[in-house]
Amino acid sequence: QSALTQPASVSGSPGQSITISCTGTSSDVGNYNLVSWYQQHPGKAPKFMIYDGSKRPSGVSNRFSGSKSGNTASLTISGLQAEDEADYYCCSYAGSSTWVFGGGTKLTVL
Amino acid sequence: EVQLVESGGGLVQPGGSLRLSCAASGFTFSIYSMNWVRQGPGKKLEWVSYISSTSSPILYADSVKGRFTISRDNAKNSLYLQMNNLRAEDTAVYYCARDLGIPWGGYLDNWGQGALVTVSS
Repeated sequence: QSALTQPASVSGSPGQSITISCTGTSSDVGNYNLVSWYQQHPGKAPKFMIYDGSKRPSGVSNRFSGSKSGNTASLTISGLQAEDEADYYCCSYAGSSTWVFGGGTKLTVL
Repeated sequence: EVQLVESGGGLVQPGGSLRLSCAASGFTFSIYSMNWVRQGPGKKLEWVSYISSTSSPILYADSVKGRFTISRDNAKNSLYLQMNNLRAEDTAVYYCARDLGIPWGGYLDNWGQGALVTVSS
């Protein structure tokens, strides 16, 4: 399976909202509502942020939200804060008992 | 507090072998499925392998099938990854990660700090 497609970078100012897209195919994102998102700060392990496309695990700020339309999933961060600056990765079930990640998006808070 | 601590990484020559371990604590290890995920030099994440709480089923990415073996010892709260016939493209930080448990979700709710594996002559 090919990696899901994410923009290499996005940026926004504090307080603004940004959206990171994650484009797959009808074999993965488009066929299953099994998309998750992870946040990774430099030198740290990824952190679980969103599952089932739009659900937040306990402890994750409600400034983070997820959605899906067709073959594209999206992560929106509202009220951008300096601590949100990190890399973000999407992941989807790809069928045949495998999972595929996106290439990652670097979020810069200006 | 959930803790996952990987060990066993290092430098190995192409064609060599290495065994990673992941020590789990702070939760009932025996009831959780577990995964290995790796992150190569380009920072892309790649799912490597999955093992259920009972060690069946076991799943592998095509890129490692036939070379890597995942296993677990619930009595020792430990997860393992035996890596054989290593290639340069296996160079990565290897993370063990706990599975949230939603069928086919692949949701990884806790991660270790990672173990670096470098395959080079």
